Amino acid sequence: EVQLLESGGGLGQPGGSLRLSCAASAFTFTTYAMSWVRQAPGKGLEWVSTIGAGGSEFYSDSVRGRFTISRDNSKNILYLHMNSLRAEDTAVYYCTRSRVVDSWGQGALVTVSS
Amino acid sequence: DIVMTQTPLSSPVTLGQPASISCRSSQSLVHNDGNTYLSWLHQRPGQPPRLLIHKISNRFSGVPDRFSGSGAGTDFTLKITRVEAEDVGVYYCMQGTQFPWTFGQGTKVEI
Repeated sequence: EVQLLESGGGLGQPGGSLRLSCAASAFTFTTYAMSWVRQAPGKGLEWVSTIGAGGSEFYSDSVRGRFTISRDNSKNILYLHMNSLRAEDTAVYYCTRSRVVDSWGQGALVTVSS
Repeated sequence: DIVMTQTPLSSPVTLGQPASISCRSSQSLVHNDGNTYLSWLHQRPGQPPRLLIHKISNRFSGVPDRFSGSGAGTDFTLKITRVEAEDVGVYYCMQGTQFPWTFGQGTKVEI
């Protein structure tokens, strides 16, 4: 069974940095595009970023220039490096697989507050 | 950006009765590869979303056959033939055809 397990969430300072990780298992990680989708408290879903199987990177306007997506294919781990954090980045961040978002992790809560 | 508009935003339903949710996109969702990347997701409170339907009408593994998807181009529909108690929650449509990927606002289904 496909598993995606996020880690690294927590409290971040405005202007600060956090790094999220997503450990993937039970599928051939190298052949799939992987994405981050977030959900602010009580709100809907928002796509954040995608990295293709070949390494192409895509970002939403709200995070471009502040967040960086990356992947370690030797360890089957997806990352999201978040810099210049803002209060509006507070959300649960989900790791998802493929263009049809067929698998989701349990999510990692990121709270940005002083 | 492609805007995804769902109707209704709230849907009171009766157990055993059908339910339907519509999703309209502001542009065609046909990708250059010929596929239409329109997915339907279901989220229960406190849970991550889970995929129900992908590429308009393909039921994902383990999804009951009371769920079906249809549509083409810019107009899409999710139907539940007979609502069960476990079907409550929020349903989202999502397009993965063009970046930025976008979601509908969500439709809350409650008994």
